[in-house]
Amino acid sequence: GENVEQHPSTLSVQEGDSAVIKCTYSDSASNYFPWYKQELGKGPQLIIDIRSNVGEKKDQRIAVTLNKTAKHFSLHITETQPEDSAVYFCAAHPGGSSNTGKLIFGQGTTLQVKP
Amino acid sequence: EPEVTQTPSHQVTQMGQEVILRCVPISNHLYFYWYRQILGQKVEFLVSFYNNEISEKSEIFDDQFSVERPDGSNFTLKIRSTKLEDSAMYFCASTKDGLGQPQHFGDGTRLSIL
Repeated sequence: GENVEQHPSTLSVQEGDSAVIKCTYSDSASNYFPWYKQELGKGPQLIIDIRSNVGEKKDQRIAVTLNKTAKHFSLHITETQPEDSAVYFCAAHPGGSSNTGKLIFGQGTTLQVKP
Repeated sequence: EPEVTQTPSHQVTQMGQEVILRCVPISNHLYFYWYRQILGQKVEFLVSFYNNEISEKSEIFDDQFSVERPDGSNFTLKIRSTKLEDSAMYFCASTKDGLGQPQHFGDGTRLSIL
């Protein structure tokens, strides 16, 4: 089945710097890749997603890139702010016969933005 | 903005007891999911549910687990005889169309088994 690996596990940046989180997946049939932000005591909140027919997507300070050949995708946050501090999860939706909408998550990255 | 709601926020139960975790998905959504997150670990898929039946379940979702949509709004997860290792955050999620569409998560129920 699908396996998603996420790096780094922790990331500390200065306010205003950029942050990059990377994920790799194993199932070449996976076709949908969301990113979630989880704040303390809250559920995962979708921040951006990308489909397998697109290489890059941007929403204000957040962007996601997808390399299908290498089977990896990355989250880029520019001009980081203290409120960006949270745990970020990547996920993949397996395609093919397993098409029930389930998501396979990475291990999470704890991002700390220092003022 | 519509949201997924879960109750209770925290459930403490003795080992061997039954628990029911409740979720109210977004009203026009058709696909429903349960995930769990053991403290400090990744979010893990448990089960997907569509058209009043399970469409997929993981290895974690053994005979002790069951799901139900008893009415038009609630979606429940039952653990029949809880074990210590069932202690985790349990998240409900829903999506309008399950096939590679955004999933919206509730804030979870923290289940503590004593």
